[in-house]
Amino acid sequence: GAVVSQHPSRVICKSGTSVKIECRSLDFQATTMFWYRQFPKQSLMLMATSNEGSKATYEQGVEKDKFLINHASLTLSTLTVTSAHPEDSSFYICSASGQIMNTEAFFGQGTRLTVV
Amino acid sequence: GDSVTQMEGPVTLSEEAFLTINCTYTATGYPSLFWYVQYPGEGLQLLLKATKADDKGSNKGFEATYRKETTSFHLEKGSVQVSDSAVYFCALSDGSNYQLIWGAGTKLIIKP
Repeated sequence: GAVVSQHPSRVICKSGTSVKIECRSLDFQATTMFWYRQFPKQSLMLMATSNEGSKATYEQGVEKDKFLINHASLTLSTLTVTSAHPEDSSFYICSASGQIMNTEAFFGQGTRLTVV
Repeated sequence: GDSVTQMEGPVTLSEEAFLTINCTYTATGYPSLFWYVQYPGEGLQLLLKATKADDKGSNKGFEATYRKETTSFHLEKGSVQVSDSAVYFCALSDGSNYQLIWGAGTKLIIKP
């Protein structure tokens, strides 16, 4: 299957700093990328959907100025958590789909963010 | 809107036991159905999928059949192993924009 690489897998940052998470599709063109957040013992919460070259569409309740998403190319999307706070600590997962994928999405390995 | 309901966990079984994790869905169209697995400390992996009614998805000894009449996609395995311990997510996609609708996840614990 297609490969999606997410980096870093773990990051610890100080409160007030910003953290960038990268999501790359390695062997296909990802026209759509999704960013999810997973709270402990809960399902994935969709944060935003991004299409290459256009602004991301954020889900209700997700602060777009805090969670900056850039999908500048067909193989790369980034999520920047700005001015991070301890409550932003979570597991963030990206997924990517392309037109050849039919309805399937492929997931990155996830990023465990801890804000101290 | 579309939704997915799956049985609450955790589900605890002994090795070699038979596994069923129930999943039902509501959808206005004809969705594709998926089971994803998340092993401890890892991201999600597609386990199996079915794209139309009566299709059976299978992988690693797991299987699930797309039942339109009962709107179900139950996950089964005949003999579980300790290595199957993970969280299993049922999901659907209506195909319109590749967005997945997720169940809450079921944690599976297999004891030796």
